[in-house]
Amino acid sequence: GAGVSQTPSNKVTEKGKYVELRCDPISGHTALYWYRQSLGQGPEFLIYFQGTGAADDSGLPNDRFFAVRPEGSVSTLKIQRTERGDSAVYLCASSLGQGNEQFFGPGTRLTVL
Amino acid sequence: SQQGEEDPQALSIQEGENATMNCSYKTSINNLQWYRQNSGRGLVHLILIRSNEREKHSGRLRVTLDTSKKSSSLLITASRAADTASYFCATDQAGTALIFGKGTTLSVSS
Repeated sequence: GAGVSQTPSNKVTEKGKYVELRCDPISGHTALYWYRQSLGQGPEFLIYFQGTGAADDSGLPNDRFFAVRPEGSVSTLKIQRTERGDSAVYLCASSLGQGNEQFFGPGTRLTVL
Repeated sequence: SQQGEEDPQALSIQEGENATMNCSYKTSINNLQWYRQNSGRGLVHLILIRSNEREKHSGRLRVTLDTSKKSSSLLITASRAADTASYFCATDQAGTALIFGKGTTLSVSS
């Protein structure tokens, strides 16, 4: 079956602009996660959805970052007033629920000039 | 913050040899998962081992977990050039976020 997909694969934007990153989880997976990975580091957790609600957003670095999952499937990560330090690969994962394997998408490489 | 620490940071071996990577963590966990990553993009899930398990196998992969020492190891037997990648351990403490280490970079030469 289809895995987790993310669009776009690459996004280049200018400092101060707004960006949206999309994640399509594996069909039937109720849990969805966003992570961010900088060069040479492991992924860092941003936010976790169970169904439509954000069950844990403790990893969001500041209020410029926001994510939604209105119908409990596709999720969008939104970054306002982008900064150069936001440049990273943004990874999405989904799972059948808490405590299960998390399956990752290919990521979106965000570059803020 | 990153809970897991992989050791070594980098490992170079010849095809056919075994590769062992270790992971240590700090707090109690529900499970520990190992991932492989090629070229800094998507992570491929390898194995999940739960806190009440001590060893799991999947093909050429063997994972052990010692909760008393808060450590895990990943053994890849009979390595191949295609195993060249970065390997990460990730701990699941509360059933939500995975906490990753910085990874081990494995290079397998033919």
